[in-house]
Amino acid sequence: KNQVEQSPQSLIILEGKNCTLQCNYTVSPFSNLRWYKQDTGRGPVSLTIMTFSENTKSNGRYTATLDADTKQSSLHITASQLSDSASYICVVARAGSYQLTFGKGTKLSVIP
Amino acid sequence: DAGITQSPRHKVTETGTPVTLRCHQTENHRYMYWYRQDPGHGLRLIHYSYGVKDTDKGEVSDGYSVSRSKTEDFLLTLESATSSQTSVYFCAISGALAPPETQYFGPGTRLLVL
Repeated sequence: KNQVEQSPQSLIILEGKNCTLQCNYTVSPFSNLRWYKQDTGRGPVSLTIMTFSENTKSNGRYTATLDADTKQSSLHITASQLSDSASYICVVARAGSYQLTFGKGTKLSVIP
Repeated sequence: DAGITQSPRHKVTETGTPVTLRCHQTENHRYMYWYRQDPGHGLRLIHYSYGVKDTDKGEVSDGYSVSRSKTEDFLLTLESATSSQTSVYFCAISGALAPPETQYFGPGTRLLVL
């Protein structure tokens, strides 16, 4: 069964600190992996998209990594800000399919 | 929100009544999607459209129908709303399926079925 598992479920960090969110998937055959940020009451917004051949992709203070061999990805947030408080969703696309498999998200709270 | 609007943004209805949610885009994107988001679940695809009058079912399509008569509008209809359809509904658009294209999401519609 195609699944995307994220950890931790929730995380609280102090403003200015770094953090790393994890994503493990079983989706096969793999096409690409996406990270989205979803603020409370808003729709998800894309942060990165990585294909099989990409190991790392950055978007400002967000850096995503992908290990297609172990089917793992991580999202690293550097020097966190209060505005980083949101849910972060890992999404995996199957090759040859329109379907995306969404993780349940990690809820990040950045406190002063 | 990438030129996507959803209406209404909030709705309360009673079990058994029909409900139609509207998604409108100004990006002229070919692909449009309807998802639902519930606590304890990731976003789940209800239906999607790959062109005017071209639609297909997603993983949770039972109890829902869709229509797309114009590129810019994608309607989701709950023929007879049930309490299990209480959810937040998101519309999304993309320009293509491949190469990997970002899906842009609308602001969501919060639906409560009593």
